[in-house]
Amino acid sequence: AQSVTQPDIHITVSEGASLELRCNYSYGATPYLFWYVQSPGQGLQLLLKYFSGDTLVQGIKGFEAEFKRSQSSFNLRKPSVHWSDAAEYFCAAYTGTASKLTFGTGTRLQVTL
Amino acid sequence: DAGVTQSPTHLIKTRGQHVTLRCSPISGHKSVSWYQQVLGQGPQFIFQYYEKEERGRGNFPDRFSARQFPNYSSELNVNALLLGDSALYLCASSDNRGTGELFFGEGSRLTVL
Repeated sequence: AQSVTQPDIHITVSEGASLELRCNYSYGATPYLFWYVQSPGQGLQLLLKYFSGDTLVQGIKGFEAEFKRSQSSFNLRKPSVHWSDAAEYFCAAYTGTASKLTFGTGTRLQVTL
Repeated sequence: DAGVTQSPTHLIKTRGQHVTLRCSPISGHKSVSWYQQVLGQGPQFIFQYYEKEERGRGNFPDRFSARQFPNYSSELNVNALLLGDSALYLCASSDNRGTGELFFGEGSRLTVL
């Protein structure tokens, strides 16, 4: 079955430290891939997306993600985390046949000062 | 430009009642999707509508229904509410370029007592 897996439920990093959130997908063909961020009680904001081409994509708020076909992964990174980055992060995948985004279970990021 | 707007933002219902949630897409977007997000989980796909026609339906019971109006706004209806229907209901719109890129509203928080 098509699925998106985020292995880390909760991650804590210190402000200023680097961050990597993991995402793996299981699809027959490479789907379109997305990272969304959700602050408590809020909707989802798109951070970045991968459709094709360059495997390193840049997003908003200083985030980037790297697509690795061989590992079926689309990990989110940020060189230096700010306290305001504390939120829930969701990886999602889309294939046109399903007309829907399939989300992972999310990773909650806590930032310590 | 206004983003996706949803109403109401919060509501409380009792078991057995019905609820109607409303969504207005971004101007120019003709596709609306609905997602249910239970606390601690990723959003789950409920419906997609494009040009007033249902284009996709997730694994939800017939108690859930939706429709899209000529102005592309949408309603999600849930009948015979159960405690398990308590969730954040997210509406998203897209320009239907087939990429799956969705723009989400802030959601309607439904509590069923």
